[in-house]
Amino acid sequence: RKEVEQDPGPFNVPEGATVAFNCTYSNSASQSFFWYRQDCRKEPKLLMSVYSSGNEDGRFTAQLNRASQYISLLIRDSKLSDSATYLCVARDHTGGFKTIFGAGTRLFVKA
Amino acid sequence: DVKVTQSSRYLVKRTGEKVFLECVQDMDHENMFWYRQDPGLGLRLIYFSYDVKMKEKGDIPEGYSVSREKKERFSLILESASTNQTSMYLCASSLGLFNTGELFFGEGSRLTVL
Repeated sequence: RKEVEQDPGPFNVPEGATVAFNCTYSNSASQSFFWYRQDCRKEPKLLMSVYSSGNEDGRFTAQLNRASQYISLLIRDSKLSDSATYLCVARDHTGGFKTIFGAGTRLFVKA
Repeated sequence: DVKVTQSSRYLVKRTGEKVFLECVQDMDHENMFWYRQDPGLGLRLIYFSYDVKMKEKGDIPEGYSVSREKKERFSLILESASTNQTSMYLCASSLGLFNTGELFFGEGSRLTVL
């Protein structure tokens, strides 16, 4: 079983739609969680960190449920420029900061 | 801006050759990582290092070794390249213990082993 699992998609949505991605992690020692965005043929870049209290950055909302070991990302009012692969990330603080990525969820936003 | 530089963007090697992939970061980060990225599998951690001369195995270390002689440089070595090591290799760095955890990636090195 993969340590971080995501629905690979692809998600095809029209502009203006709301879309949600889910992610589960299996390592209970994971302490920090993130969403990264990767554009085609580019390196991943941090989109946002994920906190237990939930956090919002403009149209993006991230949630963490530690009891269920579940992370989510909600994108409201989708833009064409949101088309990318979204990577869920879990980080273990018990030694060396092992950082594990999910395989990613592809999003296509259509005009 | 943090810059992570990988020495080669594209390499073509033959089976059995020794391959060096170099990565340099300019922000004095403690942690450095090597991942490989394959379609459908995402990024898989090969090795990481949290200090000079320190290294830890990731999820897929077999067939690879690493070297961190200086803080800014983390090298990935394929002792005897095989065709199943054809992949995109991504190096990343991050600050140490008390930080946001953001990883900064290089642009990647696409390795083809024939």
